[in-house]
Amino acid sequence: QKEVEQDPGPLSVPEGAIVSLNCTYSNSAFQYFMWYRQYSRKGPELLMYTYSSGNKEDGRFTAQVDKSSKYISLFIRDSQPSDSATYLCASRRGGSNYKLTFGKGTLLTVNP
Amino acid sequence: DADVTQTPRNRITKTGKRIMLECSQTKGHDRMYWYRQDPGLGLRLIYYSFDVKDINKGEISDGYSVSRQAQAKFSLSLESAIPNQTALYFCATSDYMAGSTDTQYFGPGTRLTVL
Repeated sequence: QKEVEQDPGPLSVPEGAIVSLNCTYSNSAFQYFMWYRQYSRKGPELLMYTYSSGNKEDGRFTAQVDKSSKYISLFIRDSQPSDSATYLCASRRGGSNYKLTFGKGTLLTVNP
Repeated sequence: DADVTQTPRNRITKTGKRIMLECSQTKGHDRMYWYRQDPGLGLRLIYYSFDVKDINKGEISDGYSVSRQAQAKFSLSLESAIPNQTALYFCATSDYMAGSTDTQYFGPGTRLTVL
């Protein structure tokens, strides 16, 4: 079992829909939780991050972590065709010796 | 100019050939990484380096080797390429600070095809 599991989709929604992307993780020591966005033929880029549990909002995007259930979520409100991309969740432990563990990514298409 | 560059961007080669993929960064980061990405398998870590003198194997290092020539340069070699090494390869860098996420910054990728 991978430490970070993510449903690869694909997920297709109409423009304006609310999108929910989810991951689960197994390592209780994970403290940092990130979402990367990858457009076609590009490298991933950091979209948002959260430290420990809680919510973080940035415009139309909300990242949520529930450490009790080991669940990571990204919500996109009023989705736009420009949001079409692969979204990868990632987690890491605190401290200098640990690297990121990525989920497999979910391919999202927002249809006009 | 891009902060993380990869060369070549595309490469087609034949089974058994030696291939080198190069990564350079101008971000001044100590940490560098090599990943491969395959459909349905996501990003998989091949090797990583936390500083110039540090090299570590990732989850799929067999068939690959790396060289950290300088803080800014990290090369990935396939000593004898095989078809199942056909994939999209990404280099990434990060700059760890205590209490930070150690955000990774990715290059544009190299699409490698082994015939």
